Order: sequence, then structure tokens, then C-alpha cells
Amino acid sequence: DIVMTQSPDSLAVSLGERATINCKSSQSVFFSSNNKNYLAWYQQKPGQPPKLLIYWASNRESGVPDRFSGSGSGTDFTLTISSLQAEDVAVYYCQHYYSTPYTFGQGTKLEIK
Amino acid sequence: QVQLQQSGPGLVKPSQTLSLTCAISGDSVSSNSAAWNWIRQSPSRGLEWLGRTYYRSKWYNDYAVSVKSRITINPDTSKNQFSLQLNSVTPEDTAVYFCARAGISGWYWGQGTLVTVSS
Repeated sequence: DIVMTQSPDSLAVSLGERATINCKSSQSVFFSSNNKNYLAWYQQKPGQPPKLLIYWASNRESGVPDRFSGSGSGTDFTLTISSLQAEDVAVYYCQHYYSTPYTFGQGTKLEIK
Repeated sequence: QVQLQQSGPGLVKPSQTLSLTCAISGDSVSSNSAAWNWIRQSPSRGLEWLGRTYYRSKWYNDYAVSVKSRITINPDTSKNQFSLQLNSVTPEDTAVYFCARAGISGWYWGQGTLVTVSS
């Protein structure tokens, strides 16, 4: 199974500042035949299902604010929130969908400093 | 826009069968470009993918090794939905269960159902 490891486990950032969350996979999730990384990022707020933010590692889902961006390839990925807003307080997860079993990171709890 | 509506009991007794249904609107369970998944979330296990069903000229299933001997995911084309059955449950199966559609541009999730295994 591909193991997804996020860092840090928790993060406190001031409003308007940048937040960066990292995700590392135990093996590459890049598929060379279509040049895509099978990596997604989700935001989860209490009592809600995970909400898709980013797919193919860097494609922003429709309706997601452009302060959210994803980058990386192969085994190392980053979610960046360029200017933290109060509504961004949540837990963030990475997930690979390269092959089954699909696995998730342990989550990063983002708070306001 | 795809919407997934989950239904099923929130309390199951140990050794019995957990059964949940996910009704689909805005897509077809027989879609050739989607897969229909069940995932659960608990404090001890985090987000855990359980399995999927999908149609590519015929029906396929994949299951997580951890539950493979106890799980069945079935499509119901007449009602455009899919279901989860997990047999012989124990308190360790207590979790929030989600259904989700996996498509080309990402996953979309149902609202979640808290299932507690307790006598």
C-alpha cells in the first residue's frame, strides 16, 4: 500500500499569512502515460465530509478560491494557502488515487495564530 | 452536479451486518467514467478506503484487504444507487461512513453516516 505522510500535524498561521502543508507518498503517484500525478487535497470542517480542493496535484476544483494552490510531483506535494482567511480553519488531507487501496494522509489541523 | 444521499441505521449490534445505501443524482451508477466508493473515518483509523464498484462493460469490485472477508458493495441500477454491507461488525467498526464518486476530476462525497456498533 502507498503510505501518505503529511507534515506538520498541526499549524497555526496569522490571518493574511501563508500556510503550507506538505504530503509525501511512499512511492511515486505519477503516471507517465498521461503525465499526471494522482494526488488530491481536501478540506474538512467539523461535521462535514471532505471537500475537494485540488486534483491532479495542481488543478483547482471549480469554485475553490485561488488562494489555494497545489504543487509537486512524484512523491512530494504541497498545498499552499497564500493568504489565510478565518474560514480556512479546518483539517486538510492529501489522498492518492493512483491504485487501490486508495490512502489518505493523517491530516493537518490548521488554526489561526 | 452530482449529489449523493446516504441512508441507513446509525446503530448496529455486534456480530450483525452494517447496511448503508448511497442514492445518486446527477450521474449514473452505470457510468463508464466513474467509480463508486465507500470510505470510513474514525479517530483511531483516520480516513480508510473500504472498497468500490464500477462499470466498464461489466461490473467490477475492489475491496480493502482489512475488510475483504466481510464486505460487499453492490450497484442497484433500477434505483441508481449503490450499497455497502459489512458483516460480523465489532465496536472497532464504529465510524462515520461516507460514499463517494470518483471521477476524472476528483472525488465527491456524501454527507456521511455515523454508525455505532454497540449492544
